[in-house]
Parts: sequence; C-alpha cells; structure tokens
Amino acid sequence: QKEVEQNSGPLSVPEGAIASLNCTYSDRGSQSFFWYRQYSGKSPELIMFIYSNGDKEDGRFTAQLNKASQYVSLLIRDSQPSDSATYLCAVRSGNTPLVFGKGTRLSVIA
Amino acid sequence: GAGVSQSPSNKVTEKGKDVELRCDPISGHTALYWYRQSLGQGLEFLIYFQGNSAPDKSGLPSDRFSAERTGGSVSTLTIQRTQQEDSAVYLCASSLAFRGNNYGYTFGSGTRLTVV
Repeated sequence: QKEVEQNSGPLSVPEGAIASLNCTYSDRGSQSFFWYRQYSGKSPELIMFIYSNGDKEDGRFTAQLNKASQYVSLLIRDSQPSDSATYLCAVRSGNTPLVFGKGTRLSVIA
Repeated sequence: GAGVSQSPSNKVTEKGKDVELRCDPISGHTALYWYRQSLGQGLEFLIYFQGNSAPDKSGLPSDRFSAERTGGSVSTLTIQRTQQEDSAVYLCASSLAFRGNNYGYTFGSGTRLTVV
C-alpha cells in the first residue's frame, strides 16, 4: 500500500513569514512529486512538481526533495493571507495514478 | 476545451437511485482520472483511462461503480443504487501522458454528490 503522509495542521504563520509544509512517502520507487493547493470548496490546482533531489524554486515557492529520506517539502516565502489553503502532496511511481496525502491546512495571519 | 469540464456541479439523489457524472477533459490529454474527496479527507483514486488501453479500475470501491470513456475523450462515471456513504465530491482530472511523465493533472471543478 503506497502511502503519503502529511501533518493535517492547521499550520498558522504570520504574514511575511516562511511557511514550511512537509510530506513523507512510503514507496521508495516513487519518481515524481507534486504540490497542489486547494482553496475551500474548490478543486486542487498544481503549484509545483519536482523529480530530482535538491531544491526547485518558482517565485515564492521552493520544493525540496530528499529521496534517501523519502521526504518532500514545500516552502512558501513571504506568506500572504491569500496563501491560506490546504496543500496536498502527491506522489507518482512510473505511470501509475498519483497518490495524494490528506493535505495540510495553512492559515496565514495578517 | 480550455479546461476540464464536469457536470453536473451539484447532484442530490435519493438512496437507491443511479447517477451519472460527466467529465470532458482538456483537448489532447490522453489520460483521464476519477478521484473522490469526502469531507476532510484526501483524494481517493477511483479509475484511470490512458489512450486506448484497458482502464485501471483498481480504485473502484464496489461493483456499483463503473466508468467508460467514449472516443478517447468524454468520460462518464456511473454509480448504481447509491448509498449515503457515496456522498462526496467527485473530481475528474486529465493530463498529457508520456513515458516518465512529470506533468501533473488538471482537475475539473468537481461534482458534489449528496445521497439523501
């Protein structure tokens, strides 16, 4: 059973701070890793994907991957109230469907 | 189309009735997925279509659930004899599919199903 684990939160950070969201996965053969943002009552939207060890930056977002530790994280710099949402980690092995974590709820306090 | 389109957006049905949910993927996307999300829960995989290959039905929770994809485009998810535990948001997604695919999915806005 492939599992993706996330702290459900809520994670509360003040506006302007760095939010750090973490995810661990059970399948060592996993190859691709995705972060989705889901606002309340809306469908998930893709923020970033990463497949190589290390960091990948896109604007205020940085994804970090450590395959040896089976750990992927998402950093949000200069957090804004509009970043308040649930963040879903998803993992793929080969061409199998994405396996999603249950998500971490982030609250950015103005 | 420009995005993944799902209909209806909301569906209330009586226990025991059959329902059909429709998904129209992004044009050119060969892979189509159905997930469902119950309140406060993560996304649960249901079924996956890839081109003309046989679908991956490994996530369907019971034989009351079935899905088809006609002409490699529009998909219909059918739930027969609905039960209250079927109440959830049913999400459809599509993606380009390549070997070693690193592309994520684009989700539709979902169908909120309520069984009363």
